[in-house]
Amino acid sequence: KAGVTQTPRYLIKTRGQQVTLSCSPISGHRSVSWYQQTPGQGLQFLFEYFSETQRNKGNFPGRFSGRQFSNSRSEMNVSTLELGDSALYLCASNDRGSSTDTQYFGPGTRLTVL
Amino acid sequence: AQSVTQLDSQVPVFEEAPVELRCNYSSSVSVYLFWYVQYPNQGLQLLLKYLSGSTLVKGINGFEAEFNKSQTSFHLRKPSVHISDTAEYFCAVSDAGGTSYGKLTFGQGTILTVHP
Repeated sequence: KAGVTQTPRYLIKTRGQQVTLSCSPISGHRSVSWYQQTPGQGLQFLFEYFSETQRNKGNFPGRFSGRQFSNSRSEMNVSTLELGDSALYLCASNDRGSSTDTQYFGPGTRLTVL
Repeated sequence: AQSVTQLDSQVPVFEEAPVELRCNYSSSVSVYLFWYVQYPNQGLQLLLKYLSGSTLVKGINGFEAEFNKSQTSFHLRKPSVHISDTAEYFCAVSDAGGTSYGKLTFGQGTILTVHP
């Protein structure tokens, strides 16, 4: 099976702009989780989507949002970018229903906010 | 709430020496436990996981970990490291009861550097 794909791999934006990141999970997986990774805060959970519904959410402001499509692909959006949003954004594909709760990660999108 | 503490931020070791990366967790519910590895400019790769059963779990690349419930630990070990093991390692937990499905709580990471 193909792994988790994330596009784009790199992005440069300026403060105040918005950005959309995309994630395609492993075929057959219907759950997608998103994480932010920064040197200062480490890996932090953003949210999880299953069957097009957000099921779980981390402690991030409302500027961070996401959605999931019927083919399980997911997007996350960050509006009104701030310098502190510069990070590696990781998407994980979850085999919900297998009772293993194991997450498989994509390569990430590196976002730089200038 | 759950938390994970990786006791060493950096671990230097010589090639072919054994290594142990320490992880302790705190949780009010039963947990699943994971170790991931991250190479520079890459995502996270699953090394091994503990879900239930035998407390000694074996993973890829010769790594193993032991779940100790009484000490709430899940230390990662390898008997003989290679230069290629140089990377950052993350310990993570999730709620086995399923109330926070899809959420992993990570430690701060341990940078393993293998010297020739």
